[in-house]
Amino acid sequence: AQTVTQSQPEMSVQEAETVTLSCTYDTSESDYYLFWYKQPPSRQMILVIRQEAYKQQNATENRFSVNFQKAAKSFSLKISDSQLGDAAMYFCACLSGGYQKVTFGTGTKLQVIP
Amino acid sequence: DTGVSQNPRHKITKRGQNVTFRCDPISEHNRLYWYRQTLGQGPEFLTYFQNEAQLEKSRLLSDRFSAERPKGSFSTLEIQRTEQGDSAMYLCASSLSGTQPQHFGDGTRLSIL
Repeated sequence: AQTVTQSQPEMSVQEAETVTLSCTYDTSESDYYLFWYKQPPSRQMILVIRQEAYKQQNATENRFSVNFQKAAKSFSLKISDSQLGDAAMYFCACLSGGYQKVTFGTGTKLQVIP
Repeated sequence: DTGVSQNPRHKITKRGQNVTFRCDPISEHNRLYWYRQTLGQGPEFLTYFQNEAQLEKSRLLSDRFSAERPKGSFSTLEIQRTEQGDSAMYLCASSLSGTQPQHFGDGTRLSIL
């Protein structure tokens, strides 16, 4: 079984500042993928960033980057230059088990303060 | 192609009734997933299809739930004899393969009276 834990139910950040969302995971698989998804209120979930476990280099996507610590099973998301449109629920997710299913964390609600 | 489409967006029904939801995945995606999401929680995996074959079902999927994907295109999720605890958002996602990111639909919100 795999688990994903997000210990921050809510976070807030000032517009234009930087915020880091935490995520830890546990899987017995050696090969897996990690994702951060964003779910704005009443809108569909969209992929923010993806990390392959076999890659040591941290993934980056514009203002979004991750800090992937494989030994610690930690996968945090850093949002730089926060914008009002970044306000949403953010879910950390792990894909393993022979790539059969994704396990999601409970989410972190991010508030961006103008 | 505009992405994953789910219908209806909202469904309100009385306890004990049967409901059916539909999901149209992105056309070239052969994997299709169903999730259930309750308030304040992340999506929970229910089942997935590789083309028309249903390859895994979660223990969350009781015998009142059934999913199909005829011809490997759209999928339906049926809940029979609905219960209060079935109230949730039902999300559908599709992907090109098992290692590719999943693209989600807007979901169907089910409310049981």
